[in-house]
Amino acid sequence: GIQVEQSPPDLILQEGANSTLRCNFSDSVNNLQWFHQNPWGQLINLFYIPSGTKQNGRLSATTVATERYSLLYISSSQTTDSGVYFCAVRFNAGGTSYGKLTFGQGTILTVHP
Amino acid sequence: GAVVSQHPSWVICKSGTSVKIECRSLDFQATTMFWYRQFPKQSLMLMATSNEGSKATYEQGVEKDKFLINHASLTLSTLTVTSAHPEDSSFYICSASPTGRGQPQHFGDGTRLSIL
Repeated sequence: GIQVEQSPPDLILQEGANSTLRCNFSDSVNNLQWFHQNPWGQLINLFYIPSGTKQNGRLSATTVATERYSLLYISSSQTTDSGVYFCAVRFNAGGTSYGKLTFGQGTILTVHP
Repeated sequence: GAVVSQHPSWVICKSGTSVKIECRSLDFQATTMFWYRQFPKQSLMLMATSNEGSKATYEQGVEKDKFLINHASLTLSTLTVTSAHPEDSSFYICSASPTGRGQPQHFGDGTRLSIL
């Protein structure tokens, strides 16, 4: 069935380290977003990236739509980067639920000082 | 940028009470809005798609009589949890995007619902 899989499920880093989070999806998509959920539950939109590469400060993301995966890079991690990172996609076969996002299970990132 | 406002942020109420949650798009119009639910340490699961001027579309397993959705205008959708029970306690979050393809979804800050 239609799936979004994220890896790793958990990641523990020392401050200053770099990391790569991965999102695999099972079918073609027309939207892919990366979010950071903070401890209060707010979803912070990091990237809207159905294809290509984008960078924003220490964060960058790449989506290779033809190979059905996306990567989120975090460089020089800080303790404030801790939280849950979600990948969410909108599959092309949206049917009546046009626009709905399907979320992966998330990666829990913990950055220690 | 596009902003989605959700209210209230926290609700604590007694079992049997009905609770209404509002989701507003502040600077754009949205013919479609989405309601998600998130249980502790889990991902977000879509509950229903709210359609302006017509009935909502519910995901499989979501009780439409328990979770009433009204999308009366292009900037407001409401979710009413009727006769809430402790098992309805959860984090509810809405999203919307400006009309048209190629637009990202923007999320409200969520509502934490606790039923005693």
